[in-house]
Amino acid sequence: DAGITQSPRHKVTETGTPVTLRCHQTENHRYMYWYRQDPGHGLRLIHYSYGVKDTDKGEVSDGYSVSRSKTEDFLLTLESATSSQTSVYFCAISESNRATNEKLFFGSGTQLSVL
Amino acid sequence: SQQGEEDPQALSIQEGENATMNCSYKTSINNLQWYRQNSGRGLVHLILIRSNEREKHSGRLRVTLDTSKKSSSLLITASRAADTASYFCAKEIWQGGSYIPTFGRGTSLIVHP
Repeated sequence: DAGITQSPRHKVTETGTPVTLRCHQTENHRYMYWYRQDPGHGLRLIHYSYGVKDTDKGEVSDGYSVSRSKTEDFLLTLESATSSQTSVYFCAISESNRATNEKLFFGSGTQLSVL
Repeated sequence: SQQGEEDPQALSIQEGENATMNCSYKTSINNLQWYRQNSGRGLVHLILIRSNEREKHSGRLRVTLDTSKKSSSLLITASRAADTASYFCAKEIWQGGSYIPTFGRGTSLIVHP
């Protein structure tokens, strides 16, 4: 299995509080992604990174920010959590260049509940 | 918005039967990938088909790509109960200088023993 770890695995928080999810990889892969998975919506891209300090928005980026200060870590922050952000969050990595993409390796997911 | 969808949304078959899932997309893509997700787990890569390929095989899996119809299909032959899972296609779509994998809603497959 690819060396990719998400933490925490489960979190319950209250509306309005900040939350940070961490994705850590040991593969030295260039690309890292954050997706959220909700029933009826499949996986939707929140943000992605193509290198240290290089990030871009995905389809559902509102209310989320990311940071990548090291190759191995990609952080997802909910500045002020809302109930609509209750979801399962998946981190994924891939070794690719901009001309093509190779397969994604996924973490085990973080179940986030915002009450 | 989602770049196309998988269908059917749900598929229920008996062990030994074949399962076919389809994936459509709206804009031009680079490669297309299929993934499997067991309940409560992360996605696992199954197969990648490049935009200049029409068919690809891997064990009991057969993937086709028809760029003129903007569609792909995943065929699982001689299904087993262990194939029960959700299956997703990921279209590589050009965005911001990179090809970004974009997923659909997936097909939930149940294989009855």
